[in-house]
Amino acid sequence: GAGVSQSPSNKVTEKGKDVELRCDPISGHTALYWYRQRLGQGLEFLIYFQGNSAPDKSGLPSDRFSAERTGESVSTLTIQRTQQEDSAVYLCASSLNHDSNQPQHFGDGTRLSIL
Amino acid sequence: AQSVSQHNHHVILSEAASLELGCNYSYGGTVNLFWYVQYPGQHLQLLLKYFSGDPLVKGIKGFEAEFIKSKFSFNLRKPSVQWSDTAEYFCAVNAPGSRQLTFGSGTQLTVLP
Repeated sequence: GAGVSQSPSNKVTEKGKDVELRCDPISGHTALYWYRQRLGQGLEFLIYFQGNSAPDKSGLPSDRFSAERTGESVSTLTIQRTQQEDSAVYLCASSLNHDSNQPQHFGDGTRLSIL
Repeated sequence: AQSVSQHNHHVILSEAASLELGCNYSYGGTVNLFWYVQYPGQHLQLLLKYFSGDPLVKGIKGFEAEFIKSKFSFNLRKPSVQWSDTAEYFCAVNAPGSRQLTFGSGTQLTVLP
């Protein structure tokens, strides 16, 4: 079946530009997560959405980062005024519901490179 | 705050060798534990998970992991690796009721044919 879909797969942009990354979760999954993986490091939690509840934004590194999700469908992660330290792979995951023991299913990620 | 340590950054083995990848976490309470695997060019996939019960859990492709509460460890094992096990392996933890996973930095496993 269809998994988590992310686009674009690669994005190269100049420092200072804004970027928008997209995530399509698995159909029927109510929980959606964004993570960031810098080179040689583990995944860092960024933000979590569950249904229509207020998102958990505790992992966003600065106010240049924001994310939206409409209902239980697509989510977009926006990075404004990109900096070189934003270069990373941005991963989206979804799970069936918010139970902490539900496994998260990951997309292929967007590799973001800031020149 | 939770943290996860994977001390082996890169492990190189020959086929048929036994594998053990270390994972230690710091958290005082009950935890859920996961191992994820990322094969070259593919997305992260769940290998196995532990929530409660038997501390020895079995996952896909012959992998298993043992939760040792007293050592705050959840090491991944496989008796005999194959070339196709070449991948990056991530240990992750969350506390019951917490939605966010905390990941280790990953261990790159290379299996030589």
